[in-house]
Amino acid sequence: NAGVMQNPRHLVRRRGQEARLRCSPMKGHSHVYWYRQLPEEGLKFMVYLQKENIIDESGMPKERFSAEFPKEGPSILRIQQVVRGDSAAYFCASSPARDLGAFFGQGTRLTVV
Amino acid sequence: DQQVKQNSPSLSVQEGRISILNCDYTNSMFDYFLWYKKYPAEGPTFLISISSIKDKNEDGRFTVFLNKSAKHLSLHIVPSQPGDSAVYFCAARYSGGGADGLTFGKGTHLIIQP
Repeated sequence: NAGVMQNPRHLVRRRGQEARLRCSPMKGHSHVYWYRQLPEEGLKFMVYLQKENIIDESGMPKERFSAEFPKEGPSILRIQQVVRGDSAAYFCASSPARDLGAFFGQGTRLTVV
Repeated sequence: DQQVKQNSPSLSVQEGRISILNCDYTNSMFDYFLWYKKYPAEGPTFLISISSIKDKNEDGRFTVFLNKSAKHLSLHIVPSQPGDSAVYFCAARYSGGGADGLTFGKGTHLIIQP
């Protein structure tokens, strides 16, 4: 009964490269949330997706960031042309329905050098 | 503007005593509140939640109290154990429209001393 799986756990990218973060929700969960945690900060909501649909992306930066949750496969958070300020821990959470509690993955720590 | 505030970055409590973690919020639309526990290099783990129609919820050693008029909630852990040492995040959301995600505080680092 695997939990929410995120990979990679650690990702190092040079400025200007692309970062792809993957999240496989818990079995039976069709709702995925992405959060970002900057150093010394709480988690900040980025985007909420259901299969093949972005429901709420009010927390996503307008440029360079995109997310998808295809019919098959994991949810992907994509950051193009990364900058130093993108260095953070990115957490994915999944839930079986919109109003139920979400379970978090272990996070991907992105470091931009 | 920070809608969920945890004003104590850290808290030190002796093993066996009560730990009280506090959280204040400013958005009166919030109607559901959660506490998460986080160890280093791991994701947050759900602890306990409370709906705005209640003022108390208890689960084993953990009790959450909600004071809506003061826009304040607290998490009580009794008795405190060494494994409780972690960062505790308060989170809130509202159900009617708006953002679907949780709004988190910055966390309180709880240290249980033997």
